[in-house]
Amino acid sequence: SAVISQKPSRDICQRGTSLTIQCQVDSQVTMMFWYRQQPGQSLTLIATANQGSEATYESGFVIDKFPISRPNLTFSTLTVSNMSPEDSSIYLCSVTSGRNTEAFFGQGTRLTVV
Amino acid sequence: AQSVTQPDIHITVSEGASLELRCNYSYGATPYLFWYVQSPGQGLQLLLKYFSGDTLVQGIKGFEAEFKRSQSSFNLRKPSVHWSDAAEYFCAVGSIQTGANNLFFGTGTRLTVIP
Repeated sequence: SAVISQKPSRDICQRGTSLTIQCQVDSQVTMMFWYRQQPGQSLTLIATANQGSEATYESGFVIDKFPISRPNLTFSTLTVSNMSPEDSSIYLCSVTSGRNTEAFFGQGTRLTVV
Repeated sequence: AQSVTQPDIHITVSEGASLELRCNYSYGATPYLFWYVQSPGQGLQLLLKYFSGDTLVQGIKGFEAEFKRSQSSFNLRKPSVHWSDAAEYFCAVGSIQTGANNLFFGTGTRLTVIP
């Protein structure tokens, strides 16, 4: 199994600002992902964080809004840019070692935009 | 694209009673199926998964789930619920191509356990 640490665990931000969320894994992993869980909603995949290359975004999510970095096999960041109240969600980092494995999740970052 | 339906938003059971949480999926091939549990302020913890083989899968904490292809279902069961089982439960599905690398989640079922 993988132990995933996310920072910060929660934050309250002003609209128009940006927040960078960090995800640290205790071992090298092949795949890292970022999900969003809006209030009362399910989890939705934002993007796959690719090591050494640009992230792959799902439909409805763009790099300018959610820039992602993955400098190595144990670390990734997600930035929520130019925030609005609609960005208030829980953001979760997830890792797998391939499609035939399971996905492990961090504890999430609860973001409130005011 | 695949999708997941969890028809029950909220379920209340008495401690010691049996539990069944429903999950229906939409996908044209054999899916990868998962059940996760999320306690307040916590991340998601995997309860069990189905990729292939025996359609009755055993998970942690005494949970089991059965894949029924004819019903497109993957219901989660537990014979005797404990107060610590109170949490949010999510069913998730992955495709043959992406498996665990791109999960589609249901909207969750919140479980309340009463003494």
